[in-house]
This record gives sequence, C-alpha cells and structure tokens, in this order.
Amino acid sequence: AQKVTQAQTEISVVEKEDVTLDCVYETRDTTYYLFWYKQPPSGELVFLIRRNSFDEQNEISGRYSWNFQKSTSSFNFTITASQVVDSAVYFCALSEAHTGRRALTFGSGTRLQVQP
Amino acid sequence: NAGVTQTPKFQVLKTGQSMTLQCAQDMNHNSMYWYRQDPGMGLRLIYYSASEGTTDKGEVPNGYNVSRLNKREFSLRLESAAPSQTSVYFCASSESRRDEKLFFGSGTQLSVL
Repeated sequence: AQKVTQAQTEISVVEKEDVTLDCVYETRDTTYYLFWYKQPPSGELVFLIRRNSFDEQNEISGRYSWNFQKSTSSFNFTITASQVVDSAVYFCALSEAHTGRRALTFGSGTRLQVQP
Repeated sequence: NAGVTQTPKFQVLKTGQSMTLQCAQDMNHNSMYWYRQDPGMGLRLIYYSASEGTTDKGEVPNGYNVSRLNKREFSLRLESAAPSQTSVYFCASSESRRDEKLFFGSGTQLSVL
C-alpha cells in the first residue's frame, strides 16, 4: 500500500535561513508520481511540483529546489533564503501508476513558520 | 475562471443531522475527489470519482455517501453527522491520468456538536 511520511510536524526558522522539508514514501509500484503542495493560511492547497519515478534529476525553481532519491525513497524540498510569505503547511503526496487508488495519498504535512 | 467551487464555506451541525456538501468544477475534468483534513493527519481521501458515472471508496468512507451528479458536480452527504466528522473538507478535481495534479476548492469547515 502506498504511504507518505513527513516526520517533521512543525519547523520554525528566521527569515533568510535555508530550510529542508523531508518526505519519505512507500510504494510497490515501479511507476509513480510525487507531488508537493503548499497550503497558505488562506487554506486553499496550491500545487508546487510533480515528479515521476523515472526522473531523478533535481529541480530548481527560484528559491525552491527538490531532491528526489529513489535509493532512499525520499523527495525532499528545500527553500533557500526563506521569506515570511513561505509560512504555510507543506504536503508531500504520492500517486501510483498501476496499483492502488486512482487518487493522491498525502503525508501529514509540515507546518513551516518563518519569523521576520 | 472559478476552478473548483465548494459550498458552504462553514457549517455547524448537531449530532444526527444530515447535510450535503456541494462541489462543482468548470475545467472539464474527468476525476473528482473528496478529502478531509484533520490536525496531524494530513488529507485523507473519503471518496473519489475517476470518471462520470463511477465512484469509489477512499481511506475513510464510513459515514459518508457521494453522488457524481454529472461531469461538473460531485456532492458529499453526511446522513447522520457525528462529532468525529468535525473537520475541514476539500473537494478537488483533475484529469483522469494518475500523474495529473489536483485542483482544490477553498474548503468547508464543518463542526458537529
């Protein structure tokens, strides 16, 4: 069965610090997709990135970067030079291509607080 | 572009009352979902509809029913509300492929007293 673990419940940093949010997943499928979503205080979830299991290339988008390592079943998210606007709950999620439900399985989320 | 619209935004029920949460999307998506969000639990799938005319149970379906009324609309019904159903409910939609991202509504905060 698919499972996503975000062991960090809450992280607090000071503005301009770098912060890494951890995500570990479990799946029996050989093809799967990993996602990160952001939930700001307004409540609506916003898509950040999607990665398929065949693409282990790290991705950078501005201050955001993602490190996908199949060997450790991890898909970690780093924010460089954090800003107050980054304060939110961040969710990692998994979708299997061939097995399981045709729906995303989410981790329990990591609440990031960026202090000014 | 409205995206995914949920109604109501807030609701307070007494134990045993029934209600229906409404969800509509205007993106011509095939798949729709209902999730609940509880502190420390993340988002858990209640029911989903991979395509019009089909519905399937998710991780926590007990106490809920759903109706995929048409391609646009997917409603969630609580027949006899219980305090354990106090939660924030999110509707989402996507194309039918499993690698497609979800588009979420703004959520419904439900309290059952």
